[in-house]
Amino acid sequence: QVQLVESGGGVVQPGRSLRLSCAASGFTFSSYGMHWVRQAPGKGLEWVAVVSYDGSNKYYADAVKGRFTISRDNSENTVYLQMNGLRAEDTAVYYCARYYNYDWSCTPDYWGQGTLVTVSS
Amino acid sequence: DVVMTQSPLSLPVTLGQPASISCRSSQSLLYSDGNTYLNWFQQRPGQSPRRLIYRVSNRDSGVPDRFSGSGSGTDFTLKISRVEAEDVGVYFCMQGTHWPPWTFGQGTKVEIK
Repeated sequence: QVQLVESGGGVVQPGRSLRLSCAASGFTFSSYGMHWVRQAPGKGLEWVAVVSYDGSNKYYADAVKGRFTISRDNSENTVYLQMNGLRAEDTAVYYCARYYNYDWSCTPDYWGQGTLVTVSS
Repeated sequence: DVVMTQSPLSLPVTLGQPASISCRSSQSLLYSDGNTYLNWFQQRPGQSPRRLIYRVSNRDSGVPDRFSGSGSGTDFTLKISRVEAEDVGVYFCMQGTHWPPWTFGQGTKVEIK
């Protein structure tokens, strides 16, 4: 069965860095693009970043551009989110979600369970 | 960026009764390929989001047929024909026509009266 398992969350001080991982299994990872979407406590969903199936295309939300970097390793079936210069407003549960490569709209069809990032001094 | 606006934000419903959630976009979601990329997600308490509906009205595998989606252009609706206890949660619409960014509605919380 499809599994997306996020890890790497935790408590970090403002200005510091954190790297999230999302390990995929149960499907052909290299046929899917991957999103990161976050949800602040008690709030709605906010798209963060996306990477295409082969890593050649990447897009970022304005709120994280220049601070976050999305990448993937198809040999390890894993997508990453490197988060630098963290701010209090980055506090959220971070979800990875896949989309099928041939779906032009890149709509997520399966989500992981999320990992909580808390930015606090 | 396309702004997605849902209403109501809170929806108390009686078990077995219908429920309806509206989602409006600030721009038409009709793409030049003829498709409209409007999707609905359900997030049960303590769980991650689950896609229910894609491209306005297509149910995902395993989604009960009491869920239906409709609409066009900028106005869309998610309907639950008869609410069951397991339908409690927050429902989000999301557009995938004008990206990046992909944008979500604020969410509608469905609860049982």
